[in-house]
Amino acid sequence: EPEVTQTPSHQVTQMGQEVILRCVPISNHLYFYWYRQILGQKVEFLVSFYNNEISEKSEIFDDQFSVERPDGSNFTLKIRSTKLEDSAMYFCASRQDRGHEQYFGPGTRLTVT
Amino acid sequence: AQSVTQLDSHVSVSEGTPVLLRCNYSSSYSPSLFWYVQHPNKGLQLLLKYTSAATLVKGINGFEAEFKKSETSFHLTKPSAHMSDAAEYFCVVSDNAGNNRKLIWGLGTSLAVNP
Repeated sequence: EPEVTQTPSHQVTQMGQEVILRCVPISNHLYFYWYRQILGQKVEFLVSFYNNEISEKSEIFDDQFSVERPDGSNFTLKIRSTKLEDSAMYFCASRQDRGHEQYFGPGTRLTVT
Repeated sequence: AQSVTQLDSHVSVSEGTPVLLRCNYSSSYSPSLFWYVQHPNKGLQLLLKYTSAATLVKGINGFEAEFKKSETSFHLTKPSAHMSDAAEYFCVVSDNAGNNRKLIWGLGTSLAVNP
């Protein structure tokens, strides 16, 4: 069964450093998402991406964040200058064009020290 | 605007007894509703979904949920809990305004299953 994959599973970085979180969505899906879950808090929407552009972003997704689909398979989230409060589990998800459900990857745990 | 309220942050049941996890939603549009489960140190797995078809929805692992528009509820049930059901459960509503369908999450309910 096709699945969403994410790498790395755990990333430790120092404050101020850039990180890139990688995702490979399911191959025939057209909508892509990033969510994050700070420890002990709810899952929060960050951004959605369709047709090679951001279709919606939350107020969390400020200028420090960017997303890219550099080729036909990868979908990346970049944080330019990490802050302590960026420490969270980051989930990538994808959805078919007409489907309702989003399929999630296993997540990347980002720890900013 | 859409929102979800999970009425219990923790639920504890004995193995073999019924499970009830409560969820109320608010939506300006005809909602799509989901339950996701997250086992410790694992990702988010879809348990079941409601998308305006049958109001009683069956999911994986014996779980089901009933959409009640009059009560704006989407409670998750299982007749008999198993030890492997211990996990975090999230009630989720989809923002169906437009095609993005971002998901709006409840705070989660932690289910403990006692032997």
